[in-house]
Amino acid sequence: DGGITQSPKYLFRKEGQNVTLSCEQNLNHDAMYWYRQDPGQGLRLIYYSQIVNDFQKGDIAEGYSVSREKKESFPLTVTSAQKNPTAFYLCASRTKRGTYQPQHFGDGTRLSIL
Amino acid sequence: GQQLNQSPQSMFIQEGEDVSMNCTSSSIFNTWLWYKQEPGEGPVLLIALYKAGELTSNGRLTAQFGITRKDSFLNISASIPSDVGIYFCAGWAGSQGNLIFGKGTKLSVKP
Repeated sequence: DGGITQSPKYLFRKEGQNVTLSCEQNLNHDAMYWYRQDPGQGLRLIYYSQIVNDFQKGDIAEGYSVSREKKESFPLTVTSAQKNPTAFYLCASRTKRGTYQPQHFGDGTRLSIL
Repeated sequence: GQQLNQSPQSMFIQEGEDVSMNCTSSSIFNTWLWYKQEPGEGPVLLIALYKAGELTSNGRLTAQFGITRKDSFLNISASIPSDVGIYFCAGWAGSQGNLIFGKGTKLSVKP
C-alpha cells in the first residue's frame, strides 16, 4: 500500500542523547515536512524539504536537524540542544506537480523523556 | 506571521446533533483544508477547498471557502460517536508559502 511510514511509534530519550525519528514515503512525493504537536497548540513546522539534498528551517527548528539524501526518506534528529523534546512528531509529504495538492500525514512518533 | 483562529476549541454534543466550526484569518488564503485527527494517529484529510465561495461535501461533512478568502467553516450533520476527534483547519497562501494550521476543535459525542 502507498503511504507514509513513521517509526518508531514510541521513543524515549535520555538526558544528553540525540535520537532520530524515521519517515519514509512510497508516494513519490517531492516535498516532505516535519511537525511538532503539543496539546492545545496545533501543528508547528520544524523543517521541510522540497527536493532531494535541500531543506529549510520551519518555525521551530532550534534543537533539531534533518537530512534528505533520498526522495523517499526524511529523518529527523532531535538533538540534546532541544530542552523540551516531549511531544508528538508528525511527518507529512505532498506532490508538487500541477495545482496545489494537500499534505498527507504519517501516524506519528511520540517522544518522551526518561 | 500568519495565524488562523479556529473556534470553538472544544465541543460536547449529543449523538444526532449537527456541528459547526470555523477558522478565520487576517490574511488571504488560496486553499483551505480540513483534517481530522484521532488519538495517537496522524491527521487525515477530509475536504480541500480551492476557490472562494466553494461549497464542498464529503458524506455528512460540508465545508465552505469564505468569499473574502479569509475564513472557512466545517459542518457535520447528524453526528455519530465515530466523529470524535480533533478537527484542524489549514490554509495555504500560495507561491512558496507553507501550510498554516489552526489549533484544532476537539469534538466529543455522547451516545
